[in-house]
Formats: sequence, structure tokens, C-alpha cells
Amino acid sequence: AQSVTQLDSHVSVSEGTPVLLRCNYSSSYSPSLFWYVQHPNKGLQLLLKYTSAATLVKGINGFEAEFKKSETSFHLTKPSAHMSDAAEYFCVVIKSGGSYIPTFGRGTSLIVHP
Amino acid sequence: DTGVSQDPRHKITKRGQNVTFRCDPISEHNRLYWYRQTLGQGPEFLTYFQNEAQLEKSRLLSDRFSAERPKGSFSTLEIQRTEQGDSAMYLCASSFDHTGFFDEQYFGPGTRLTVT
Repeated sequence: AQSVTQLDSHVSVSEGTPVLLRCNYSSSYSPSLFWYVQHPNKGLQLLLKYTSAATLVKGINGFEAEFKKSETSFHLTKPSAHMSDAAEYFCVVIKSGGSYIPTFGRGTSLIVHP
Repeated sequence: DTGVSQDPRHKITKRGQNVTFRCDPISEHNRLYWYRQTLGQGPEFLTYFQNEAQLEKSRLLSDRFSAERPKGSFSTLEIQRTEQGDSAMYLCASSFDHTGFFDEQYFGPGTRLTVT
């Protein structure tokens, strides 16, 4: 079985400060991991993905995430938040091999203050 | 626009009625997924197709739900005898997956269902 836990339901930062959105996963096999962003009234968009290549993954809009197998984590970071980053962020795990059923976390709402 | 499209965008129906939603994936994509998303939750997997074959169904998908993807192109999701608990956003996503490698999914805008 696989699962994903987003440790914070809300994260509040000031514009220009770093962002950290935490994700822990559980998977019996080597997983593929993704972060998606959902802006209000817009469709889900892929930020970045990890599929067993480099453990530090760079995505769009300055986001990156590091796969840490020993900690079963895949935290999303950004050095400096912009107002436009305010959105809902979802961590997703997919077990490699066999079925390809994605499991989404509950989401973290990122609030950016001016 | 060559993205994933869904129709209708909003549907209001009375309890007990049947509803059908349509999803048109990106044309070269061979995988198509359906999800349900309720307020404050992440999308929950319902089912997926590889070309026209329905390969997986979630235990969340009761007998009132059925999905098809004739000819491996568009897909429909039907809910029979709707219940108030079916009120949610229904999302469709497509991807191109080859040699067992899972690639990113492209999501449609969703169909918001309200059952009164």
C-alpha cells in the first residue's frame, strides 16, 4: 500500500521569504513522486517530478524538491515567495511497477502576505 | 487549445437522477484518469484507462458509477441514481505512458456536480 502525508494543512509566509511545504510518503516499492499546484478556479498543474534520477529536482517557477529515501520525504521549497505562489499544493506518490494509481495528499494551502 | 477538456463544467441535478460527464484528453495520450475531489481534500482516484481498456477501479467507485472510453479517445463517467454525497468536483486527467514509465498527468478544469 502507498500513502502520502502532507504535514501542514496551511503554511503562511511573507513575500520574499523562503517556502517549505512538507511531504512524507509510504510506498512498498520505489516510488515516483510529484508536486502539483492548484490555483483558485484553475486546473491542477505539475510543478515537478521525481522518477529515480537526480534526488534534487527542479521545477517551474523556482520550486525544487529533494527526495530523501532515508526519511521517506519529498519536501517542496522555494527560496523567495511571490504573491502569485498563493495556491493549494498537492504531493502525489505513485508506486513504480504494477498498477499506476496515484495517491494524492490532502493538500497544503500556501498563503503569502505582502 | 489542445489541453484536456471536460463537459459540462457545472451540473446541478436532483437526487435520484442520472448524470453523465465527458472528458476529451490530449489526442496522443494513451492513459486517462478520473478523480473525485471534495472541498479541502486532494483528488481521489476513481478509475483509469489505458487506451480503451479500463485497468483499475477504486473501491470508492460504487456500482452506481460507470466509465467508458470507446475507441481509446474521449471518456464518459456516468453516475446513476445520484446521492447528495456524490456532490464533488470530478476531474479528468490524461498522460502518455510508455514502457511502464509514469509520466505527468495533464488535468482538465473539472466538472462540478451539485446534487440537491
